[in-house]
Amino acid sequence: DTEVTQTPKHLVMGMTNKKSLKCEQHMGHRAMYWYKQKAKKPPELMFVYSYEKLSINESVPSRFSPECPNSSLLNLHLHALQPEDSALYLCASSQDSFPRTYYEQYFGPGTRLTVT
Amino acid sequence: QQQVKQSPQSLIVQKGGISIINCAYENTAFDYFPWYQQFPGKGPALLIAIRPDVSEKKEGRFTISFNKSAKQFSLHIMDSQPGDSATYFCAASMDSGAGSYQLTFGKGTKLSVIP
Repeated sequence: DTEVTQTPKHLVMGMTNKKSLKCEQHMGHRAMYWYKQKAKKPPELMFVYSYEKLSINESVPSRFSPECPNSSLLNLHLHALQPEDSALYLCASSQDSFPRTYYEQYFGPGTRLTVT
Repeated sequence: QQQVKQSPQSLIVQKGGISIINCAYENTAFDYFPWYQQFPGKGPALLIAIRPDVSEKKEGRFTISFNKSAKQFSLHIMDSQPGDSATYFCAASMDSGAGSYQLTFGKGTKLSVIP
């Protein structure tokens, strides 16, 4: 099973709202990722969690706040977003092993976010 | 430098033909090269991947060719079908430490397979 699930599928929010995106995987993966994807562009890395600790923040504005409550769950809290933040938000996960034998990142279906 | 260059931007192929997408990279720290297939409104799905110590990998109709000295790799889709119509992203992966891997994506190729 290589499934990463994301909820909700679609989200419309105003610029003053607070909302959260949720991601879940049950593959035992210890690294989880948030990406942002604009139309006709490749995914763009936002955050990486490894062993439930934030390891990479790609200079993302503070209106995006990630959280990793446990090794299976990843949240992205949204507050005071701008219309230009409208995009497909993707979660991914990958295994960790030593020696390194697992490389694949598996993506979820994404949350289509519209900021009005 | 972590750029991955992908071409062509778009590709139209007749049903039954061969689709070829090319990628080139510069950073020799990359050590794994996956291809992702993405349909509109969906997340990228891992299609096939290759390590740099292998020159070719085949899975069904999909083949990756890898040229380490030229720092190039390509995806070949044999007997292309209308259901293959999607956007394809090449990527290059490197260890970002602490058990995670960083993917650098090409800009994508929109493939249309016409009957």
